[in-house]
Amino acid sequence: GESVGLHLPTLSVQEGDNSIINCAYSNSASDYFIWYKQESGKGPQFIIDIRSNMDKRQGQRVTVLLNKTVKHLSLQIAATQPGDSAVYFCAENIGGTSYGKLTFGQGTILTVHP
Amino acid sequence: DGGITQSPKYLFRKEGQNVTLSCEQNLNHDAMYWYRQDPGQGLRLIYYSQIVNDFQKGDIAEGYSVSREKKESFPLTVTSAQKNPTAFYLCASSMEGIGEAFFGQGTRLTVV
Repeated sequence: GESVGLHLPTLSVQEGDNSIINCAYSNSASDYFIWYKQESGKGPQFIIDIRSNMDKRQGQRVTVLLNKTVKHLSLQIAATQPGDSAVYFCAENIGGTSYGKLTFGQGTILTVHP
Repeated sequence: DGGITQSPKYLFRKEGQNVTLSCEQNLNHDAMYWYRQDPGQGLRLIYYSQIVNDFQKGDIAEGYSVSREKKESFPLTVTSAQKNPTAFYLCASSMEGIGEAFFGQGTRLTVV
């Protein structure tokens, strides 16, 4: 079946470095993508989203890039801080619904060393 | 404050018993969802509801049941038919026209 997946299960960076977390998706019908951050023992928190009619979207210290040609999504975190340490999930909205019924990838563990 | 409240945070259940997890939201969202998360894995959809008195099975609905009698509430019952119920359960909600789902803080269920 079609699914969302991540290339790297773990990523370790030094404080102040830029982080890039990748995600591959296989459903060409997906038109909405979200990045979530999940800290240990807590629910996922929204970071940034992007629709399929966009290639790039920027937030505060974060940028999401969408390459529809190769079905690839990435999350860039600038000047990574220890508080950014968490599991990061990409999720896609399948089926063209306008609700938040999402399919999640496996997740990437980001560890930021002081 | 607006948000999604899940209770309890930790829950222990004996094998063979049914248990109900609570989820309440005051965001006036139409849709609500239950996800299951296992260690080192992503979230998998159990059930979802887009309107009161209606709900649909997700990818792993076997052994679970839900109800949606009120817009604000979407309780999940883990039945004795669920063979491996120990997991972290997450409730979420969203508004029509908005793809983003807002999550509660989760309930960790352990079968003892």
